[in-house]
Amino acid sequence: DAGVIQSPRHEVTEMGQEVTLRCKPISGHDYLFWYRQTMMRGLELLIYFNNNVPIDDSGMPEDRFSAKMPNASFSTLKIQPSEPRDSAVYFCASSSPVGVHADTQYFGPGTRLTVL
Amino acid sequence: GQNIDQPTEMTATEGAIVQINCTYQTSGFNGLFWYQQHAGEAPTFLSYNVLDGLEEKGRFSSFLSRSKGYSYLLLKELQMKDSASYLCAVRDGTALIFGKGTTLSVSS
Repeated sequence: DAGVIQSPRHEVTEMGQEVTLRCKPISGHDYLFWYRQTMMRGLELLIYFNNNVPIDDSGMPEDRFSAKMPNASFSTLKIQPSEPRDSAVYFCASSSPVGVHADTQYFGPGTRLTVL
Repeated sequence: GQNIDQPTEMTATEGAIVQINCTYQTSGFNGLFWYQQHAGEAPTFLSYNVLDGLEEKGRFSSFLSRSKGYSYLLLKELQMKDSASYLCAVRDGTALIFGKGTTLSVSS
């Protein structure tokens, strides 16, 4: 079974540009999480969805960040306009509340974003 | 507030045993996870504790004491490939709160 898929793997953009990160969760997983990882702050939860509905977006740093999940197999994280301090690795993770590994979050490979 | 503490770095030699500690103070607790993260890669699940005690899985074991807000990850028979960052994460409701990770360097 395929794991969590993210694209692009690397993104380099200039300050002020719009950036869209994409994620496909593991099939059958009800929960989808977006994280940001930096050396200074570690791994931080930005937002998570349950059955395509945003549940907690308190970690979204500011209005420049938005996330959507139009269906069970696709989610986007958008930054508009981007700033150099947004440079980080962005991870998507998914989980299911049932099964042998219930509630274990499985991470995608991440998108390394560099804003110049 | 939410606080998870782990040592920043540890070093060990091949074949040795190393214990990585994690202490936490969180508003809620639904379990504690350990993840391994190699440089430039995604975190991968290692272990999960929700009740007090020791969970053993091959060379890796994880211990939890809820009353003390304390966990440790024990790695036995260290191998070079165990060089990685080890992340402690507390589940509070549905969300995971991560520590900043412990970078383990294994030398020959």
